[in-house]
Amino acid sequence: KQEVTQIPAALSVPEGENLVLNCSFTDSAIYNLQWFRQDPGKGLTSLLLIQSSQREQTSGRLNASLDKSSGRSTLYIAASQPGDSATYLCAVSAAGNKLTFGGGTRVLVKP
Amino acid sequence: DAGVIQSPRHEVTEMGQEVTLRCKPISGHNSLFWYRQTMMRGLELLIYFNNNVPIDDSGMPEDRFSAKMPNASFSTLKIQPSEPRDSAVYFCASSFAGPTEAFFGQGTRLTVV
Repeated sequence: KQEVTQIPAALSVPEGENLVLNCSFTDSAIYNLQWFRQDPGKGLTSLLLIQSSQREQTSGRLNASLDKSSGRSTLYIAASQPGDSATYLCAVSAAGNKLTFGGGTRVLVKP
Repeated sequence: DAGVIQSPRHEVTEMGQEVTLRCKPISGHNSLFWYRQTMMRGLELLIYFNNNVPIDDSGMPEDRFSAKMPNASFSTLKIQPSEPRDSAVYFCASSFAGPTEAFFGQGTRLTVV
């Protein structure tokens, strides 16, 4: 059974510092990996999708890497801003695009 | 497109009552998913449909839960009878078939008292 772990569970950084969020998964037979952002009381917003054949994906200040063989992904957020404060979730997909989620990393960026 | 639309946003009901949650997927998407989020268990897949057909309902916790997708633009998740432990946020998501990006609705926060 696939298990997804996100460490740390919470992270607090000063504004301007780069954020590094980690995600690990136990079964490397994935179709893709998706990073989401969740604000309190809100739904999930898709940030990046990395297909299993890709090594990384970039969007603006966000960069995500994928090492499928070692079961790891890292989300980098450059020059963090208070507006980046949220919970970040990673999820890996199996057949049928079913997602298995990690527990999330709660990020606080202090002004 | 307005994205995945769920209703209601909040539902408070008494134990034993029937609850129906609704979802309208993104137009053109042919896969639809129901997830549940709790503090204890995080986000878990309950059931998913492909082309309106239920494919995997192994995540549905009990027979009290049922889901339908009568057409490509509408799905329901029903709990009957509801119990306090069903209190959670229920999300609907949709995507194209295959390993593509999934888009989530705003969720329905269910409280059973």
